[in-house]
Amino acid sequence: ELKVEQNPLFLSMQEGKNYTIYCNYSTTSDRLYWYRQDPGKSLESLFVLLSNGAVKQEGRLMASLDTKARLSTLHITAAVHDLSATYFCAVDSTTGNQFYFGTGTSLTVIP
Amino acid sequence: DTEVTQTPKHLVMGMTNKKSLKCEQHMGHRAMYWYKQKAKKPPELMFVYSYEKLSINESVPSRFSPECPNSSLLNLHLHALQPEDSALYLCASSQAGTSGGPRAYNEQFFGPGTRLTVL
Repeated sequence: ELKVEQNPLFLSMQEGKNYTIYCNYSTTSDRLYWYRQDPGKSLESLFVLLSNGAVKQEGRLMASLDTKARLSTLHITAAVHDLSATYFCAVDSTTGNQFYFGTGTSLTVIP
Repeated sequence: DTEVTQTPKHLVMGMTNKKSLKCEQHMGHRAMYWYKQKAKKPPELMFVYSYEKLSINESVPSRFSPECPNSSLLNLHLHALQPEDSALYLCASSQAGTSGGPRAYNEQFFGPGTRLTVL
């Protein structure tokens, strides 16, 4: 079974600080997705990473993918309160036609 | 139109009721999905339709019955649910894989969800 693990599960950080969320997965994949979910709301697509070494940036968020290490990172630069949300990575496997979301990281940015 | 819509927003039903959730998209996507999400958990994939055909059924109980009447619409029929089925039900759509084959997932666009309570 495909396993997708994120760490940390909970993250409380001060405004202005930097931090990285990690997403590890257990199967071969060359596609990884990052989503954001605000409390009580639906999911919003943030990044689509389609190849080894892919890096994408949007505002204070930057995502990268290392398919050899089966690892993706979501780096937060100079956090602001508006970034408070739950962040999920999601992976589809190249075999087995499986798709799973990671465990999620609940981010709280403190003023 | 880059939106996925879902109705109703909230639904309360008894264990003997029959109800349906509806999802609609007009982005020309040929893959549509149903997810179940419990509080503070990641979404769990339930069903995938690709080119209006059911391609993935993740061992979901038969009290959940999906239907894809056309490329824009996706329904989830509910019957004899249990209280543990209470959750947020999310619909999503994406471009499909070639000829509806594997790797149909692609970037998914999610609807606002239906919050279901089973009494």
